[in-house]
Amino acid sequence: DTGVSQDPRHKITKRGQNVTFRCDPISEHNRLYWYRQTLGQGPEFLTYFQNEAQLEKSRLLSDRFSAERPKGSFSTLEIQRTEQGDSAMYLCASSLDLTPQHFGDGTRLSIL
Amino acid sequence: GQQLNQSPQSMFIQEGEDVSMNCTSSSIFNTWLWYKQEPGEGPVLLIALYKAGELTSNGRLTAQFGITRKDSFLNISASIPSDVGIYFCACRGGSNYKLTFGKGTLLTVNP
Repeated sequence: DTGVSQDPRHKITKRGQNVTFRCDPISEHNRLYWYRQTLGQGPEFLTYFQNEAQLEKSRLLSDRFSAERPKGSFSTLEIQRTEQGDSAMYLCASSLDLTPQHFGDGTRLSIL
Repeated sequence: GQQLNQSPQSMFIQEGEDVSMNCTSSSIFNTWLWYKQEPGEGPVLLIALYKAGELTSNGRLTAQFGITRKDSFLNISASIPSDVGIYFCACRGGSNYKLTFGKGTLLTVNP
């Protein structure tokens, strides 16, 4: 499978816990994006990497959120001290420069 | 922030019917994309449009990039049950990298 891979697919955690998600982009893609999707809405942009550099963070990304792409390949998104409002589907996408973005199947986060 | 108005919000049709949905914006964009999302999965790219006026087909799907660069439509001909899902328009401006999505059109096809 050469598509975008995300792990885990589902995460259930208690409020206040930290969670980390992983994204493996399509191998030749230099750009990687994180989006968040809530029920009944389209995905909303969170952050973007070109190679290992994080070039933009949305205002949606509070200081409890951090994303990394240490070697310009896979990326992690960490949420610290989770809150009820963090419950959502977290989607990762990748692209080669400005070609269309291809999405993974997401990590669904549920906060108890 | 930028917003896309996507309509209709939902459609319930009979198998074999044609479907049309559209997306409008108050801003000009350089790229329009259409994605389909099924339950528990991520959006899957259907069609990408790069030039104003461009009309592109992908099997039974046809999409057009509006002349004003502020709108796009997607048509599905002869719908089949596997067309069920949520269809999203998304757009990007200039060298901007992030996509702005509409709220989606939920399509239900009755066999």
